[in-house]
Amino acid sequence: GAGVSQSPSNKVTEKGKDVELRCDPISGHTALYWYRQSLGQGLEFLIYFQGNSAPDKSGLPSDRFSAERTGGSVSTLTIQRTQQEDSAVYLCASSRTSGSSGELFFGEGSRLTVL
Amino acid sequence: AQSVTQLGSHVSVSEGALVLLRCNYSSSVPPYLFWYVQYPNQGLQLLLKYTTGATLVKGINGFEAEFKKSETSFHLTKPSAHMSDAAEYFCAVSAATGGFKTIFGAGTRLFVKA
Repeated sequence: GAGVSQSPSNKVTEKGKDVELRCDPISGHTALYWYRQSLGQGLEFLIYFQGNSAPDKSGLPSDRFSAERTGGSVSTLTIQRTQQEDSAVYLCASSRTSGSSGELFFGEGSRLTVL
Repeated sequence: AQSVTQLGSHVSVSEGALVLLRCNYSSSVPPYLFWYVQYPNQGLQLLLKYTTGATLVKGINGFEAEFKKSETSFHLTKPSAHMSDAAEYFCAVSAATGGFKTIFGAGTRLFVKA
């Protein structure tokens, strides 16, 4: 497809389990973001990949969260030892260029529920 | 670092009334400013953006926003609300000092009454 693709769309897991969320950005987009959207909390920045530069991880809430981007394309967000407060919608976005006023294109999100 | 403050988590207007959603930003260098909209059960999409040049920016669906440097504001307006405008609206900022990382505000949910 032409848009940003995220999987799974819904994930229910038990507290303490690890989860992986995948993002397939628009082809050719060099910038990729992960945000977390919780009820009433807006979009919380998590991590930002820009081209071949080291990612900006300043938004990751704890060391249980990590992300990688392989080959400058697909990205995986991993949450280890999930907690109930991790329940949220995780949004991925990509942008054509990394150093400009580029529009972000968002995926539909992965809704994570931790029981 | 850049930041965004949206005043009012919820705004309610009557159909046909003026829509005004407030956004103030903080940036030590010239910012790029955005408004995104999220309709119910849909993803976020760009409504409009300010980069350089004209400070009054027009977007989709009759919305516009004005960049006011002296007030560090980028408020979103629409002269006449329509029921279909009911959605959540997010203001965002990016700038060179942050590596053009885009930071979002907490969002404002717009309700439109018949």
